[in-house]
Amino acid sequence: KNQVEQSPQSLIILEGKNCTLQCNYTVSPFSNLRWYKQDTGRGPVSLTIMTFSENTKSNGRYTATLDADTKQSSLHITASQLSDSASYICVVSEVFGNEKLTFGTGTRLTIIP
Amino acid sequence: ETGVTQTPRHLVMGMTNKKSLKCEQHLGHNAMYWYKQSAKKPLELMFVYNFKEQTENNSVPSRFSPECPNSSHLFLHLHTLQPEDSALYLCASSQEQRAEYEQYFGPGTRLTVT
Repeated sequence: KNQVEQSPQSLIILEGKNCTLQCNYTVSPFSNLRWYKQDTGRGPVSLTIMTFSENTKSNGRYTATLDADTKQSSLHITASQLSDSASYICVVSEVFGNEKLTFGTGTRLTIIP
Repeated sequence: ETGVTQTPRHLVMGMTNKKSLKCEQHLGHNAMYWYKQSAKKPLELMFVYNFKEQTENNSVPSRFSPECPNSSHLFLHLHTLQPEDSALYLCASSQEQRAEYEQYFGPGTRLTVT
C-alpha cells in the first residue's frame, strides 16, 4: 500500500530560525512530489512540485529537496516568519493512468515571537 | 485566492437534514475533486470529475451524492449524515485529471453534524 509519512508531527520554533520538515514515501511508480501549505481553516496552497529528475526546488524562503533513490523529501524554511505557522503537507503522485495522489498527515508548524 | 470558491464556509446540520455544498472554479479547468479532511488524518479523496464525467468514487457512502452540471461547478449533496461525517470538505480543480497538473484547492466547508 502506498504511504507518505511526515515528521515531525508538530514543531515549534522561534521567529527568525530555520527548520526542516521531512517526508518519506513508498509510492511507486513515482510521478511527482508536492509540498502544500495549509493555514488553519483554509485549503492547501501549493509551494513546490518536483519530478523524479529534480532534486531541489525553491520558492522564496522555502526550499524542497528530493532523493528519488531513498524516497525522501525535505522542506527547508529559512528565516521563519509568524505567517509560516501552518500545516505543511507532502503529497506524492503515482503514475497510473489518471492521477493518484497519496497525502501525508502533515507537520503542524508554529512560529513563536 | 486560488480561483476556487466554496459555499457555505461553515455548516451545522442535524442527522435528518438535507443540505448541499457548492464549489465553483474560475480557472477554466476540466477536472474537479471532493476531499474530506478529518483531524490528524490525511486528505481522503471522495470523488473526481474529469470533463464532467465521474471518474472516481472512492467507496464513499451513498449519503454523499456528487453532481457536476458543468466543468465550472461541483456540488456535494448531503442527507442523513452521521456525526463521524463532521470534517472539513475541500474542493479542488486541475487542468485535467493527470499527474502533471497541479490541483488548486478551495477554502473548504467546515461541516458539523449534530
